[in-house]
Amino acid sequence: DGGITQSPKYLFRKEGQNVTLSCEQNLNHDAMYWYRQDPGQGLRLIYYSQIVNDFQKGDIAEGYSVSREKKESFPLTVTSAQKNPTAFYLCASGRDWDYGYTFGSGTRLTVV
Amino acid sequence: EDQVTQSPEALRLQEGESSSLNCSYTVSGLRGLFWYRQDPGKGPEFLFTLYSAGEEKEKERLKATLTKKESFLHITAPKPEDSATYLCAVQPNTNAGKSTFGDGTTLTVKP
Repeated sequence: DGGITQSPKYLFRKEGQNVTLSCEQNLNHDAMYWYRQDPGQGLRLIYYSQIVNDFQKGDIAEGYSVSREKKESFPLTVTSAQKNPTAFYLCASGRDWDYGYTFGSGTRLTVV
Repeated sequence: EDQVTQSPEALRLQEGESSSLNCSYTVSGLRGLFWYRQDPGKGPEFLFTLYSAGEEKEKERLKATLTKKESFLHITAPKPEDSATYLCAVQPNTNAGKSTFGDGTTLTVKP
C-alpha cells in the first residue's frame, strides 16, 4: 500500500545534540512538507520541497535543516540551535494541491 | 499574513446531537480551503477541499460549506467514533507550497 513512513515514532534528544527524523513516501508525490505540532495547537510549517534538490523555508525554519536528494525522501534535522525542540513532528506529501496532503504518523521528539 | 481561526476550541456533544464547527480565515487570495480529521497521536487525515463561496461537500455525517470569510463543518447525528480534532487549513493563490492551519476543534461525542 502507498503511504508515508516516519521513523522513529519516539525520539529522545540530549541537550546540544542534532537528531534526524526520517520521512519516506512511495506515493510518487512531488511535494513534501514538514510541520511541527505543539499540544493544543495547529500545524506550523518548518520546510517544504516541491521538487527534488529544491526546498524552501516555512514559518519556523530556524534551528532546522532538510535535504531532498531523492523524490521519495525528505529527512529533517533538528539542530542544537533549536531551543525548544520538544514537539510532535509531521511529514506530509502532496500530489496536486487540491487533493490535500497525505500525512505520516508522526515522530514525537522529547529533549531529556 | 494568512490567518485561520477555529471555534470553539472544544465541543462536547451527546450522540445524535447535531452541531457545527467554525473556521474563519483571512487570506490574500483563496486557492482552496481544506478540512482534516486528526485522531490522538496520529497524523491528520484529509476530508474535503472547498474552492469557492457557496460550495458544499458531504461525507457520511459531515458536510462542509464555504463563504468568503468562513467555513463550517456540520456534523449531523454524530456518533462516538466521530470524536477527534478537526483541522481547517487555507492555501493561498500566491504561494502554492504553503497551507496555513488553524489550531483545531476537539470534538467529543458521548454515547
